[in-house]
Amino acid sequence: DIQMTQSPSSLSASVGDRVTITCQASQDISHYLNWYQQKPGKAPKLLIYDASNLETGVPSRFSGSGSGTDFTFTISSLQPEDIATYYCQQYDTLPSYTFGQGTKLEIE
Amino acid sequence: QVQLQESGPGLVKPSETLSLTCTVSGDSISSGSYYWGWIRQPPGKGLEWIGSIYYSGSTHYNPSLKSRVTISVDMSKSQFSLKLSSVTAADTAVYYCARQWVGAVSFDYWGQGALVTVSS
Repeated sequence: DIQMTQSPSSLSASVGDRVTITCQASQDISHYLNWYQQKPGKAPKLLIYDASNLETGVPSRFSGSGSGTDFTFTISSLQPEDIATYYCQQYDTLPSYTFGQGTKLEIE
Repeated sequence: QVQLQESGPGLVKPSETLSLTCTVSGDSISSGSYYWGWIRQPPGKGLEWIGSIYYSGSTHYNPSLKSRVTISVDMSKSQFSLKLSSVTAADTAVYYCARQWVGAVSFDYWGQGALVTVSS
């Protein structure tokens, strides 16, 4: 099974800060990685697909990059509404699509 | 606007079968571009993919749950369903249904989630 390791597990930042979350796969997954945002009590929301493609309607301050085993998710300028838990999800290996353990983002 | 809505019992006894249905509106469940999936999230924990189904009936299951999971589709009702047998307290979770784009295997539309508690 492919394991996905996200870091950090939690993060505190100020409004306007640049925030970066990483996701590392236990083996090469090419670009087969998606990123989601989950606010408390809500369903996850797709932000980035195929490692770097912004889902329609998602603000451009969100971006993703990487390939192989190392991936990065970035918020260029943190906004108060970005407080949430963020998850990566790989889809390289069928039929198992695994999620990272999540990164909880808080405002300082 | 695509909408998905989970329905089913919120309480299931240990060793029994958990059954949930997802009703899809705003899209055709027979669209060839999508699978339809189930994902769960135990309280305070992360996300776990359970399985997905194509309109043709083709299924993919998480190997760790495969022996207990059955997903089926009813195109006439625009619904797909989850059955998880022999449940234990570890199966207590919020269960989400979601639309899964075939291209990037991304879950782009989600239901609001249904909390299912396993308890006697």
